[in-house]
Amino acid sequence: GAGVSQSPSNKVTEKGKDVELRCDPISGHTALYWYRQSLGQGLEFLIYFQGNSAPDKSGLPSDRFSAERTGGSVSTLTIQRTQQEDSAVYLCASSLLLAGGQETQYFGPGTRLLVL
Amino acid sequence: AQTVTQSQPEMSVQEAETVTLSCTYDTSESDYYLFWYKQPPSRQMILVIRQEAYKQQNATENRFSVNFQKAAKSFSLKISDSQLGDAAMYFCAYRFTGGGNKLTFGTGTQLKVEL
Repeated sequence: GAGVSQSPSNKVTEKGKDVELRCDPISGHTALYWYRQSLGQGLEFLIYFQGNSAPDKSGLPSDRFSAERTGGSVSTLTIQRTQQEDSAVYLCASSLLLAGGQETQYFGPGTRLLVL
Repeated sequence: AQTVTQSQPEMSVQEAETVTLSCTYDTSESDYYLFWYKQPPSRQMILVIRQEAYKQQNATENRFSVNFQKAAKSFSLKISDSQLGDAAMYFCAYRFTGGGNKLTFGTGTQLKVEL
C-alpha cells in the first residue's frame, strides 16, 4: 500500500506567520510521530500519538508548536508565529505496535520549512 | 537521558569495498532496540537494519550487518560490496521499549561511494 505522505513538500513563510504541516500515515498504523531535522543535525523528537491515548508532547520546543490527530489518522503540526530558528525539515513517521514492543517506524519524505 | 553518538561526520568507500560506520549510545536500560536508517537526498528515511538488545546474535540484512556490543554500548554498521546507491546519510537510532517508543537519533554519517 501507499507509504507515509506529507504536504506540502516545501514551505516558505515569513517570520510571524502561522504554518500547518500535514501527515497522512500508512493505513492501519496506530502510532504517529513528528520529528524535526535541523541543518546538519539528527532527528529531534517532537510529539507522539498512539491510538486514543493522550499524546506525548514532551519534545515540543515551545507553546508555539501544537499537533492534532483527527480520527486516528491524519495529523497536522501547527507552528504559530514562526521564527527563523523554526526552519528545518519536519518528518512524520507511523508504525504499528506489535506484541513485545516490536515496532518499525516508517517515515514520510518530510516538509522543508524555511522562515524568512 | 539516552544519547546516541556518531563520531564520523563523513566516510568514503570505493565501490565494491567494505565500510564500517560507528555508533555508540548511552543508556541505563537493558531492554531496547537499535536501528540504522538511511537518508538519501530525497529525504525519506529508510530502515536498513534493526537489532533487539536481548538478542546476542548480530542482525544481518543482505549486504548490511551490525556488530552489536552491548557491554560496550556500541552498534556499528558494516556495508559489504558497497554500491553507488549506498551513498546517503546514515543515522543510528535508539528506542527504549518502555519509553513511549520515540527514537533518539545520532547526528549522522554522510557516506560517499567512489568509483
